[in-house]
Amino acid sequence: DAGITQSPRHKVTETGTPVTLRCHQTENHRYMYWYRQDPGHGLRLIHYSYGVKDTDKGEVSDGYSVSRSKTEDFLLTLESATSSQTSVYFCAISEVQGARYGYTFGSGTRLTVV
Amino acid sequence: GENVEQHPSTLSVQEGDSAVIKCTYSDSASNYFPWYKQELGKGPQLIIDIRSNVGEKKDQRIAVTLNKTAKHFSLHITETQPEDSAVYFCAASKSGTSYGKLTFGQGTILTVHP
Repeated sequence: DAGITQSPRHKVTETGTPVTLRCHQTENHRYMYWYRQDPGHGLRLIHYSYGVKDTDKGEVSDGYSVSRSKTEDFLLTLESATSSQTSVYFCAISEVQGARYGYTFGSGTRLTVV
Repeated sequence: GENVEQHPSTLSVQEGDSAVIKCTYSDSASNYFPWYKQELGKGPQLIIDIRSNVGEKKDQRIAVTLNKTAKHFSLHITETQPEDSAVYFCAASKSGTSYGKLTFGQGTILTVHP
C-alpha cells in the first residue's frame, strides 16, 4: 500500500528467539497500530501509538512490546517468540483518530514460530 | 470494551446476486463503522464507512445501513461480480475519544461464483 511499508514480509523463527517487525510510513500520520490476524478472530489490536514515544496496549498485548522513536517508524518486538504468536501481523496508520478516513493498512508480515 | 460480532463467517453467491453481511456491536457510544475488504495476500482496504448520525450510505453497488437502537449495521453488495470475492471485515470505534482504535468483527469470506 502506498505510504506504508512492513518488513519483513515473511519470517520463520524459533521458539524463544526475539523478533522485531517494522512498520514505516511516509504519510506523516500521527496514529499507528499493530494488529494480528488469526482465523476466527478477525483483527485484534496489539499496541498502538498516538505520537512519538506515546504508546499504549491493545487487547492482546501480552508478550509484545513496541517503540516509536520517529513519526515514521513503529516497531513491534516479540521478546521471546512462542508458537501462539504465529500469525499475520498488520500495521495501520490513521490521520484523524481513525474518524473520517479510517485506517490504511500495510501488506502484512506472516510470522511463523517453530 | 467494545465487542463486534459478524455473520455469516462464509457466504457463497452466484454472480449477479446480492450479498448481505451483518454486524452487531456492544458499546452504545460507538459512532463510526467502517467496512474493509481484504484480497488474498493483501492488507484490508476501506470500502465504505458510516457515522452514527446517518442511517444509510451508498457508493455504487455497495451500501451500508445502521440501526443504532438495535446496535447493528450491515453491508449490502448488489449485482455481485467475481472480483467481489474477498474477506470482508466490519469494525466499530468511538471516533474522537479512543485514539481511533477500531474493534473488528471476525470476518466474512465472500465467494462469488461466475
